Amino acid sequence: AQKVTQAQTEISVVEKEDVTLDCVYETRDTTYYLFWYKQPPSGELVFLIRRNSFDEQNEISGRYSWNFQKSTSSFNFTITASQVVDSAVYFCALIADQTGANNLFFGTGTRLTVIP
Amino acid sequence: GAVVSQHPSWVICKSGTSVKIECRSLDFQATTMFWYRQFPKQSLMLMATSNEGSKATYEQGVEKDKFLINHASLTLSTLTVTSAHPEDSSFYICSALGTSTFTDTQYFGPGTRLTVL
Repeated sequence: AQKVTQAQTEISVVEKEDVTLDCVYETRDTTYYLFWYKQPPSGELVFLIRRNSFDEQNEISGRYSWNFQKSTSSFNFTITASQVVDSAVYFCALIADQTGANNLFFGTGTRLTVIP
Repeated sequence: GAVVSQHPSWVICKSGTSVKIECRSLDFQATTMFWYRQFPKQSLMLMATSNEGSKATYEQGVEKDKFLINHASLTLSTLTVTSAHPEDSSFYICSALGTSTFTDTQYFGPGTRLTVL
């Protein structure tokens, strides 16, 4: 069975602070894909990153960075120098289906509020 | 690239009526689309997987006759909520499976907010 846990329900930070959103996943598959999506108040989910299980390299994209650690089954997301526009709900998700159904398993999301 | 649209963005209807929601992949062909439902402050719940030219695959607990899905072309999938009731009020989101670089990445539409009176 697949499971994604985002233990942080809500986080508030003051603008320019760094913030890390945690994601812990469970799967028995050796091949899987991890994703982060952002859902701003408008509702549309915005794709941020995809990482496959064989690539443990951390990734940085501007103020965003991701730390993938298979040893702890975690795929954490850090926003550096947060901005008000970063306020949104962030979902971590997993695909681990050998049938190729590409079903995304979502975590419950973390609501980030950046205070000006 | 990988833009998905939904129409309408919001709809209000009377109980007992049917509502159709369209999901389109604008700049790519999508053989597979997904329909999700999201309640306030909750995560997305997969309702069904829509494959072009074949019947949709519904998740356990989702009524096939209630939520009709049609994927008639490579760029369009529709979800029809039949005989809608207030408990069907929700945020419905579709996604389309990418076909180029990341064939396992779902790109989401902006969602449709349905309110049934």
